[in-house]
Amino acid sequence: DTEVTQTPKHLVMGMTNKKSLKCEQHMGHRAMYWYKQKAKKPPELMFVYSYEKLSINESVPSRFSPECPNSSLLNLHLHALQPEDSALYLCASSQGQGEGAEQYFGPGTRLTVT
Amino acid sequence: AQSVTQLDSQVPVFEEAPVELRCNYSSSVSVYLFWYVQYPNQGLQLLLKYLSGSTLVKGINGFEAEFNKSQTSFHLRKPSVHISDTAEYFCAVSDHSSASKIIFGSGTRLSIRP
Repeated sequence: DTEVTQTPKHLVMGMTNKKSLKCEQHMGHRAMYWYKQKAKKPPELMFVYSYEKLSINESVPSRFSPECPNSSLLNLHLHALQPEDSALYLCASSQGQGEGAEQYFGPGTRLTVT
Repeated sequence: AQSVTQLDSQVPVFEEAPVELRCNYSSSVSVYLFWYVQYPNQGLQLLLKYLSGSTLVKGINGFEAEFNKSQTSFHLRKPSVHISDTAEYFCAVSDHSSASKIIFGSGTRLSIRP
């Protein structure tokens, strides 16, 4: 099973709302990632969790708050977003370093901030 | 630090014709190399990967790529394309010491003409 699931598929939220994106994998991967992808651009790394600890934060604004409740789940909490935060948010997972370096991506959550 | 250059932003090809999507990378250390495909409104799917060993790598959907260390290239090829290959293709690199962080190229849009 090489599936990463993400919910919801689509989300529309106002600038004063609080919402959360969810990601789940059951491949036993120890690293999980959040990416942001704008139209016609490559994914941009936001956060990396390794063994349930935040290991990389790519200077992401505090209105994005990641959480890793356990090794299979990854959340992204959203608060007071701006219209320019509208994008496809992708979750990914990998075994980590070495021969398991490839990342497996979920289908993404299409976020629109109004 | 690594970087990835995909020289062609768009590649139009007739159906059943061969195609090559070019990728060059820059790194001072040993690297892992990947090609991902993204179909419209979907997440990224791993096409193939080079971690070590044979420089000719075969992937899914009839694609293959060749790692050329002297030319720092990892071009993607398919001998005969189908309409269903229409998608965005991303080349990506990570280094052995920081395999959790993947650097993506800007992407190549492959459009297949009947």
